[in-house]
Amino acid sequence: EAGVTQSPTHLIKTRGQQVTLRCSPISGHTSVYWYQQALGLGLQFLLWYDEGEERNRGNFPPRFSGRQFPNYSSELNVNALELEDSALYLCASSLVVVWEPQHFGDGTRLSIL
Amino acid sequence: DQQVKQNSPSLSVQEGRISILNCDYTNSMFDYFLWYKKYPAEGPTFLISISSIKDKNEDGRFTVFLNKSAKHLSLHIVPSQPGDSAVYFCAASHNFNKFYFGSGTKLNVKP
Repeated sequence: EAGVTQSPTHLIKTRGQQVTLRCSPISGHTSVYWYQQALGLGLQFLLWYDEGEERNRGNFPPRFSGRQFPNYSSELNVNALELEDSALYLCASSLVVVWEPQHFGDGTRLSIL
Repeated sequence: DQQVKQNSPSLSVQEGRISILNCDYTNSMFDYFLWYKKYPAEGPTFLISISSIKDKNEDGRFTVFLNKSAKHLSLHIVPSQPGDSAVYFCAASHNFNKFYFGSGTKLNVKP
C-alpha cells in the first residue's frame, strides 16, 4: 500500500511570492490534514479537509488556504510568503473512523529567502 | 494555545533500559491520544494510541499510560533499543475534530 506522498520535497521561495504544496493520501482515506512544523517547534495544525470540504482550520492567517479534490488529493496554498513561513509542511491522511490514526507523508521543506 | 506539552526536549537512556516519555495536556475534553515517532527527513510514524475510556494500552515493547485526573500521558519503551532513537510526539484530539501535538522529545538510546 502506497503511503501519503507529498510534492515537492524541497522548495525555495522569496518573500511575497506564492506557493502550492501537494498531497496524495493513502488510497481509501478521505480526510487530509495539513501541519506546519517550524524549526524547534511541534506540529501546528493548519487545515483539515474531508470529502472535499474544509472541516476545521488552525490559528493561521487567511493567506494559508487549500482545497481537496474529488480524488481526495489536496493542495495547500500560501500567499504573500513571509520569512516565518519557512518550515516543514506535513500532510496526513486518515479514515474518518473512530480511533483511526493519521498517517503522515515525509513533508515539504519550504525555505523563504 | 499550547494544549499539549512535552516538557522534556530530550532524553538519554542506555540500551536495554526503560525509556519513559511524558506528555501533559490541559483540555479535559480530549478523548483520543496518540504517540508518533519521527526520524530525520521523514514524516511522523504512528506508534500507539489510547482512548480516554482506557488507562493503559500495550503493543509489544510500547505501553501508553493515561492518567485522566492528572491530565498526563506517558509512553514506556521496554527494553529500549538504539533504533528507537528518534523524536517522539504526543498528540490529542476531541472527537477527531482537531489534533494537537506536543513539541516533541528527542530520545537517544545509547548502545
